[in-house]
Amino acid sequence: EIVMTQSPATLSVSPGERATLSCRASQSVSSNLAWYQQKPGQAPRLLIYGASTRATGIPARFSGSGSGTEFTLTISSLQSEDFAVYYCQQYNNWPPPLRYTFGQGTKLEIK
Amino acid sequence: EVQLVESGGGLVQPGGSLRLSCAASGFTFSSYEMNWVRQAPGKGLEWVSYISSSGSTIYYADSVKGRFTISRDNAKNSLYLQMNSLRAEDTAVYYCARVTVGYYDSSGYYVPGPFDYWGQGTLVTVSS
Repeated sequence: EIVMTQSPATLSVSPGERATLSCRASQSVSSNLAWYQQKPGQAPRLLIYGASTRATGIPARFSGSGSGTEFTLTISSLQSEDFAVYYCQQYNNWPPPLRYTFGQGTKLEIK
Repeated sequence: EVQLVESGGGLVQPGGSLRLSCAASGFTFSSYEMNWVRQAPGKGLEWVSYISSSGSTIYYADSVKGRFTISRDNAKNSLYLQMNSLRAEDTAVYYCARVTVGYYDSSGYYVPGPFDYWGQGTLVTVSS
C-alpha cells in the first residue's frame, strides 16, 4: 500500500499570507495526486487533481505542484474561508489492485 | 445539479449488520465509477471501496475486505454498502463519492480519477 505523509500536521498562518502544505508518497504516484479541503461538519471538496490542475470553481490562489513522490499545495493569499483541514490523496492504479490512500491531513489555522 | 444523498446509518451492536444507500441525481449515474469513504470521529479520511460504472470491477480496503460488500443499481441510480460483522473501529461517517473521468496512461493502463462530488455522509456507530 502506498503511504501518504503530510506535513506539517498543523500550520498557523495569518490572513493574507502564503501557506505551503506538503505531501509525500512512499513510492512514485506519477502525477496522480489530488488535494481536498474539508471544513467542520462538511464533506471534503476537490481542489486540485493531476497534481496541478484546479478543479471547477476553485480560485486561482490555490495551486499544486510536484510529481513522483513530493507534492505541494500553495495558497497564495489566505482568505478567512481557507482555514480548514487539507488532505492529499493518491489515485495511482499501480501496482494493482486499486487502493486509494489519503494523507493524515494538515490543519490550517489562523495565526 | 449533482447530488449524492446517503442514508441507512445508525447505531448497531458489534457483530451486527447495516446497509447504507446513496441516491444519486443530476448526472448519468451509470457512466460513473463510485466509492465509499469513511471518517472516524475526529480522524482523517479512509477509502473503503470502489465499484466501476457497470459494477463489474470492485475493490476493497484490507480493513473491510470479507465483511463489506459494495453494489449498485444503475436503474435506480443508487449505490449501496452492505456492512456485516461490524466492529467498534467501523464507527465513522460514511460518504459516497463520485469518481472524475479516468484516463489511460502511456502504458495503456487505466487510472481512475479522484473524487469530484461527495454526499453529506451518514453516521454509523458500532457500540453495545
